[in-house]
Amino acid sequence: EVQLVESGGGLVQPGGSLRLSCVASGFTFSRYSMNWVRQAPGKGLEWVSYISTGSSLIEYAESVAGRFTISRDNAKNSLYLQMNSLRDEDTAVYYCARRDSTGNQDHWGQGTLVTVSS
Amino acid sequence: EIVLTQSPATLSLSPGERATLSCRASQSVSSYLAWYQQRPGQAPRLLIYDASNRATGIPARFSGSGSGTDFTLTISSLEPEDFAIYYCQQHINWPLTFGGGTKVEIK
Repeated sequence: EVQLVESGGGLVQPGGSLRLSCVASGFTFSRYSMNWVRQAPGKGLEWVSYISTGSSLIEYAESVAGRFTISRDNAKNSLYLQMNSLRDEDTAVYYCARRDSTGNQDHWGQGTLVTVSS
Repeated sequence: EIVLTQSPATLSLSPGERATLSCRASQSVSSYLAWYQQRPGQAPRLLIYDASNRATGIPARFSGSGSGTDFTLTISSLEPEDFAIYYCQQHINWPLTFGGGTKVEIK
């Protein structure tokens, strides 16, 4: 069974940093590219970042470019999102999602809540 | 950036009725469009990929159609578990973008 488990969320002050992790199991992690998608409270879905299988291709939403860094460790079956210079508007549930061969997000974790507030 | 506009924002229907949801793209996305379902308190779930293909385990009452800029998700006969929010998403171009969602609620 495919499982994605996020962790690392919490309360942080504006300007602070957090590192999110997503541990994958039930599939060969190194063969799949991955995305981070977020959802602000009561709002819709917003794509955040993408990383290819070997980390050679990385993309960011304009809203986070220059502040967030996506990475992965295939030996540890793990995906990461380093978030710096956090703003109030970064408050959201952050989901990691597996990108399948058709380019769609076929499996999602349950999310981790990041709250940016003073 | 490709903007996806979903309509209506809310659809009030009874169990057993047919639901028709629309997603319009600001420019052509060919068939690179997916539909996701999100129930309260849960992560999104892939329903339809490449505009018209049901994902693994998705019931036949869900169907998708369209190409280019106009897409439709149809639920032929609503079951109680289908009352949720539905999002479309394109992956032809970066950034990936989602529509604002359509909430299907019980009338």
